[in-house]
Formats: sequence, structure tokens, C-alpha cells
Amino acid sequence: NAGVTQTPKFRILKIGQSMTLQCTQDMNHNYMYWYRQDPGMGLKLIYYSVGAGITDKGEVPNGYNVSRSTTEDFPLRLELAAPSQTSVYFCASSTARTGELFFGEGSRLTVL
Amino acid sequence: GENVEQHPSTLSVQEGDSAVIKCTYSDSASNYFPWYKQELGKGPQLIIDIRSNVGEKKDQRIAVTLNKTAKHFSLHITETQPEDSAVYFCAATRGAGGTSYGKLTFGQGTILTVHP
Repeated sequence: NAGVTQTPKFRILKIGQSMTLQCTQDMNHNYMYWYRQDPGMGLKLIYYSVGAGITDKGEVPNGYNVSRSTTEDFPLRLELAAPSQTSVYFCASSTARTGELFFGEGSRLTVL
Repeated sequence: GENVEQHPSTLSVQEGDSAVIKCTYSDSASNYFPWYKQELGKGPQLIIDIRSNVGEKKDQRIAVTLNKTAKHFSLHITETQPEDSAVYFCAATRGAGGTSYGKLTFGQGTILTVHP
């Protein structure tokens, strides 16, 4: 039972490069989220989705884009990487019935 | 928007002692307050949550209390064990079903260390 799977686990980018963080879940959850975690700052919501084809901005969306073409996948794209995007990124999913978020193991991104 | 403050940032206890972590929130309309535990190299995992129509909730060695008037809530862990060592996050949101329960404002986290 895989749950929420994120790839890659680690990545180093140069300023101005682009990349996509992949997230997939096998629990048939409608709702999916991207959070970033900075040291001593807790987690902040970047984007979320209520289902295939529907996405919306969270608290810190600037510099990121998302898409949701299937229930399972919710990739996060960084178009022009900046040092401020150095962080650990977590994907999560949930159902409408409970408030519980199921998190992936995270993707650590460093922008140099 | 909502703002959640969490204290202390680090907490060190001896095995068998109790641990208490406190959070305050700013939005009086917030009504859902989960606590997440994050072990090293892992994603956060829900350990307990409370809704605003309840003042206290308990699950074995873990309890959460909520004071809506003062806008603060606390996590209590009794009889701590070394495996309780982790980072704990409180969070708050105006939960109204659907994605609202997942659109959380998190506290800064507490690093709990339980010494054998």
C-alpha cells in the first residue's frame, strides 16, 4: 500500500532552471495539496486541488504552477528556480469525510 | 488570515515524564485543530485532532485540550517513551468540509526529545 509517493527525493537546481516535482497517490482521494516546509517555519500551503481539472492557490503560490489531469497525479512545477525556493516540499491527499492529510515523504530541493 | 504560534520550539523530557506543547491561534472562526507528528526523514502524520464543539479529546497517552475563549489549544503526552521523539506541529483552519480541512495554517513546530 504505497499511499502518497513523491519523486525525486533530492534535487539541486541552478538559478533559473525549471523542474517538476511529481506526486501520485493510490488511495483514490479527491483532494490533493502541495506544502513547503522551511526550517523553523512550519508548513505553508502552495496549491491545492479538489479533483481532476480543478486547482487553486494556497498561501504561497508565486513561482509555482500545478496541474491535475488525473485523480492520482498532482505535479508541482517550478519555472525559474530562485534561492528562495530552497525548501522541503510535501505533497498530501485527503478525502471529504475526514480532515486527515496523508503526506508523502518529501522532496528536498536546493537552488544554488 | 490565520496565524498560529507554537511553544516551546524544543522540549526535552525524561522517559516516563509528561510533555505539553501549546498553540495559540488568531482567527476566532477556526474550528478544526489537528496535531501532526513528523519523524526524521518522513512526512507529517496525524496523531489527534479536535473540533471546536469539543473541549478535550483523548487517545491513549495523547490528549488535546481546546479553549475557544482564549484561542489556544494544547497537546499533552503522558508516560513519554523514546519513540515519541519527533517534531510535533499544531495547525488550525476554518473547516467546513471538503478541502477546507486540508488548507491548514501550521505552527512552527516543537522538537520533542525523550531521554531513556
